[in-house]
Amino acid sequence: EAGVAQSPRYKIIEKRQSVAFWCNPISGHATLYWYQQILGQGPKLLIQFQNNGVVDDSQLPKDRFSAERLKGVDSTLKIQPAKLEDSAVYLCASSQGLDHPYEQYFGPGTRLTVT
Amino acid sequence: AQKITQTQPGMFVQEKEAVTLDCTYDTSDPSYGLFWYKQPSSGEMIFLIYQGSYDQQNATEGRYSLNFQKARKSANLVISASQLGDSAMYFCAMNSGNTPLVFGKGTRLSVIA
Repeated sequence: EAGVAQSPRYKIIEKRQSVAFWCNPISGHATLYWYQQILGQGPKLLIQFQNNGVVDDSQLPKDRFSAERLKGVDSTLKIQPAKLEDSAVYLCASSQGLDHPYEQYFGPGTRLTVT
Repeated sequence: AQKITQTQPGMFVQEKEAVTLDCTYDTSDPSYGLFWYKQPSSGEMIFLIYQGSYDQQNATEGRYSLNFQKARKSANLVISASQLGDSAMYFCAMNSGNTPLVFGKGTRLSVIA
């Protein structure tokens, strides 16, 4: 079974530029999560999707961050414009959904550096 | 609100010895799950072990076991027979049902030859 795929793995941009990350969850997984992990901290949820609907985006900085999950499969996370404090690893995770809620599988992450 | 506390920023262990990584949690939900993840320098979060709040027995997965003490709200990870490849960051996390995971700040484990 293929794992969660993310791209790119690394990205360096200047502040005020825009950037997009892509995530392909495990096939059949209904729930998709985007986490932000700042260096030295544990991951923090940005947004949770159930199929193509948003379940929780309370911690997403909506003035600069946006995310979508068209057709309930792949997802993209965008930052526009980026700030220095957005430098972090962005992790995508998926789980089977309500019937199997307890195990989330993580992708390799995208390491963003904003200069 | 749920909260995870990991009080050990860093731990050292001799190869082949056992080590315990501490985790305490706080929640008002009667049903919840507790997790441990390993994060090597490559950055990927690797699932290690899961304990449900209603599970009667402590979870075990190979060299990993979870010492679950519900009354004390602790979920410590025990790694037996440490290997050099166990050197990594270890995160304790929890959720309730399909909610997102809430993570602690992590413990960096270093295994010494």
